[in-house]
Amino acid sequence: DAGVTQSPTHLIKTRGQQVTLRCSPKSGHDTVSWYQQALGQGPQFIFQYYEEEERQRGNFPDRFSGHQFPNYSSELNVNALLLGDSALYLCASSFSGLVWRGSYNSPLHFGNGTRLTVT
Amino acid sequence: QQPVQSPQAVILREGEDAVINCSSSKALYSVHWYRQKHGEAPVFLMILLKGGEQMRHEKISASFNEKKQQSSLYLTASQLSYSGTYFCGTQGGSEKLVFGKGTKLTVNP
Repeated sequence: DAGVTQSPTHLIKTRGQQVTLRCSPKSGHDTVSWYQQALGQGPQFIFQYYEEEERQRGNFPDRFSGHQFPNYSSELNVNALLLGDSALYLCASSFSGLVWRGSYNSPLHFGNGTRLTVT
Repeated sequence: QQPVQSPQAVILREGEDAVINCSSSKALYSVHWYRQKHGEAPVFLMILLKGGEQMRHEKISASFNEKKQQSSLYLTASQLSYSGTYFCGTQGGSEKLVFGKGTKLTVNP
C-alpha cells in the first residue's frame, strides 16, 4: 500500500519564477492538505482540498494556489517566488469519512516533502 | 492561534521519562501529536478528542484537558528511537490542523 508520494524531492528556482509541486495521496484518502515547513519550525498550514475544491486556507498570499484532480491527487503552485519561499513543502492526506470515536477527525499521513530552494 | 509547546528541547538518557506540553488560547476540538525525525516526514502518534480521554501509543501516552485547552505527551522509559521533534496540532472546530513550533527530544545512551 503506497503512502503519500510527492515530487520532485528537491527543486532549485530563481526569484520571480513559478513552481509546481505534486502530491499523490495515500490509497483510500480523499483530502489533501499542504504545509510549508521552514527550517526548525513547525509545519504551517497553506490550504486543504476536498472534492476538487479549496476547503480551508491559511495565512498565505494568493501567489500560493492549488488544485485537486478527480483521482484526489493535488498540485501546489507558487508564483513570483521570493527568497522567503525557500522551505520544505509537505503534503498530507486524510480520509474525510473517518469516524474516530464518534467524531470526524482523521490522522494526517505526510509525504516526505519537496525541498524548495529559491536563489 | 498557533499552539505553544514547552519545553523547546529536552535531553534525556535512555530509560528516563519526559513530558511535553501543548497549550492553546482558544477552545479546542481535538489535539494531534506527531513525531518527525531529521530529514523525514512527520509521523502520526495519536489524536485526543474532547472528553479528556488519555490515549496510548506503545510507551507514549497523552492527555487532553479541554477546560485548560492543554494537552500533555508523556514519554515513559524513553528509548533511543524516541529521538526526534514532537509537534502538537490543534483543531478549533474548523478542519485545518495548526501545528506548534515543536519540541526537540534527544535520547542518549
